[in-house]
Amino acid sequence: AQKVTQAQTEISVVEKEDVTLDCVYETRDTTYYLFWYKQPPSGELVFLIRRNSFDEQNEISGRYSWNFQKSTSSFNFTITASQVVDSAVYFCALSGNEKLTFGTGTRLTIIP
Amino acid sequence: DAGVIQSPRHEVTEMGQEVTLRCKPISGHNSLFWYRQTMMRGLELLIYFNNNVPIDDSGMPEDRFSAKMPNASFSTLKIQPSEPRDSAVYFCASSLDLDEGYQKLFFGSGTQLSVL
Repeated sequence: AQKVTQAQTEISVVEKEDVTLDCVYETRDTTYYLFWYKQPPSGELVFLIRRNSFDEQNEISGRYSWNFQKSTSSFNFTITASQVVDSAVYFCALSGNEKLTFGTGTRLTIIP
Repeated sequence: DAGVIQSPRHEVTEMGQEVTLRCKPISGHNSLFWYRQTMMRGLELLIYFNNNVPIDDSGMPEDRFSAKMPNASFSTLKIQPSEPRDSAVYFCASSLDLDEGYQKLFFGSGTQLSVL
């Protein structure tokens, strides 16, 4: 069975600090997809990124960056120069041959 | 596009009553998902449809839960009879075809269900 672990339940940082959210996954599939979703206080889940298992290139999108390492089964998410609007719950998710599995989420609070 | 539309946003009902949650997916999306979110269990997939056909309902907790998708633009999730432990946020999501693995999911705003 596939599994996603987000060991950090809650993180608080002061605005403008960098913060990394960890995601470790388990799967026996050779082809799989990894995702990050953001759930702001309004409640709606928002897609951030989708990465397939054959593409280990790191990705940067503005202040957001993702580090995918198959050797450690990790797909970590870094926010650079955090802002108050980044406060949310962030979910890592995995899909292979099984249905999409979400981690338990990391609640990120940015302190002004 | 208006995005995935769910109704109602909030539902408060008494134990034993029937509850119907509604979802309108994004036009052109042919996959629809119902998720439940609770503090204890996180995000759980209840059921998903592809081209209006239920593909996997193994996440539906009990026979009290049922879901339908009569056409490409509408789906319902029904709980009958409802119980306090059904209290949760129920999300509907839609996406393009599943042929190449899970695509980007677009979520609705959710329905906050409270069963007293």
